[in-house]
Amino acid sequence: EAQVTQNPRYLITVTGKKLTVTCSQNMNHEYMSWYRQDPGLGLRQIYYSMNVEVTDKGDVPEGYKVSRKEKRNFPLILESPSPNQTSLYFCASSFGRLDSPLHFGNGTRLTVT
Amino acid sequence: GDSVTQMEGPVTLSEEAFLTINCTYTATGYPSLFWYVQYPGEGLQLLLKATKADDKGSNKGFEATYRKETTSFHLEKGSVQVSDSAVYFCALREIYNQGGKLIFGQGTELSVKP
Repeated sequence: EAQVTQNPRYLITVTGKKLTVTCSQNMNHEYMSWYRQDPGLGLRQIYYSMNVEVTDKGDVPEGYKVSRKEKRNFPLILESPSPNQTSLYFCASSFGRLDSPLHFGNGTRLTVT
Repeated sequence: GDSVTQMEGPVTLSEEAFLTINCTYTATGYPSLFWYVQYPGEGLQLLLKATKADDKGSNKGFEATYRKETTSFHLEKGSVQVSDSAVYFCALREIYNQGGKLIFGQGTELSVKP
């Protein structure tokens, strides 16, 4: 089944403790991206990657890192999480043509205390 | 910049009622248009898409037509079911959009009562 898989689905952590949210897709998509969803603010892009070893900042990149060493994986790294990073995170992927639809994972609900 | 505006929710309908959720957009180029649906506790699922003017996207009884002259992409369904209760997002994406991001509307919550 074609899908974008994120792990974990739920994560509760404390301020400053490094964490990684994994994302993997099995559709051979070139493009991958991370979004966060917050009430009243909608969905905002954090980082994106056009292909392996090519990443760039989205609208809200502060406090996050990403890497794209393999085509299928695009992990999101929070080196020193803070409470304002409590949010619902989505990974998404698509073919390289940028007017094609994005396919989303099921989300990771992160709480930072 | 590009933007998407949806009608505000929540929208409450009785089962078998007709649904319309309005969506209008502004874009500098020639975007593709999408409707996504988010069920409680789940991710965003692509509901339908249209890639050029006058295209009609359809799926699961939902339809939307890409109207360039009115810059609109309204979502319709002839007879809603309780299982259609969800949040619906209109979105656009275009080749020249920096970062290839989806531009979302604010979402419209639909509640269907038996």
